[in-house]
Amino acid sequence: GAVVSQHPSWVICKSGTSVKIECRSLDFQATTMFWYRQFPKQSLMLMATSNEGSKATYEQGVEKDKFLINHASLTLSTLTVTSAHPEDSSFYICSANIAGLEETQYFGPGTRLLVL
Amino acid sequence: AQSVTQPDIHITVSEGASLELRCNYSYGATPYLFWYVQSPGQGLQLLLKYFSGDTLVQGIKGFEAEFKRSQSSFNLRKPSVHWSDAAEYFCAVGEGPYSSASKIIFGSGTRLSIRP
Repeated sequence: GAVVSQHPSWVICKSGTSVKIECRSLDFQATTMFWYRQFPKQSLMLMATSNEGSKATYEQGVEKDKFLINHASLTLSTLTVTSAHPEDSSFYICSANIAGLEETQYFGPGTRLLVL
Repeated sequence: AQSVTQPDIHITVSEGASLELRCNYSYGATPYLFWYVQSPGQGLQLLLKYFSGDTLVQGIKGFEAEFKRSQSSFNLRKPSVHWSDAAEYFCAVGEGPYSSASKIIFGSGTRLSIRP
């Protein structure tokens, strides 16, 4: 149980294009999902907290117009990197909590983004 | 503010030897503590967690961790490591009250290598 999937697993795009990453909780409902960014050999840095049916809460220093988050249902949150640039290349990981139960976060497998 | 320190960036142990990964946290109240493992290019897998109760916590894959309030530590141990344990290990502390919207703060990680 508590499986989180991400799609795509990797993506290569040209500079200036937008990229959408999906995060799904497969066997549970998640009122809250989290988006992280991880640079090579570094820890995870929380970008934003995504709540179903409401606006995401962004961490300090994260551009909300650059990283658009939509949490349209209890099982799906999307992160769109708008007008991507090479410095946006990173490993993006989402996580989700099981609604109504403990506050343990279950992580997706990550999406590797390379912007050329 | 909450923080997590993993003082060892990289540890190498021989296969079959015992392992202890250190983690120290800073938090004003009783923390929610986690250990996650990340294989290269993968998402994070929860090894174990501590919310309350018995301070010695058993996890998956033969790992255990002990919460020591007096030392603000939550060290991860395994009596005999296997080559498949080579990975990056992250200690984390849960922030805020007991709710599904709580954030997790990650340590910088410890990379574990196994010597044949």
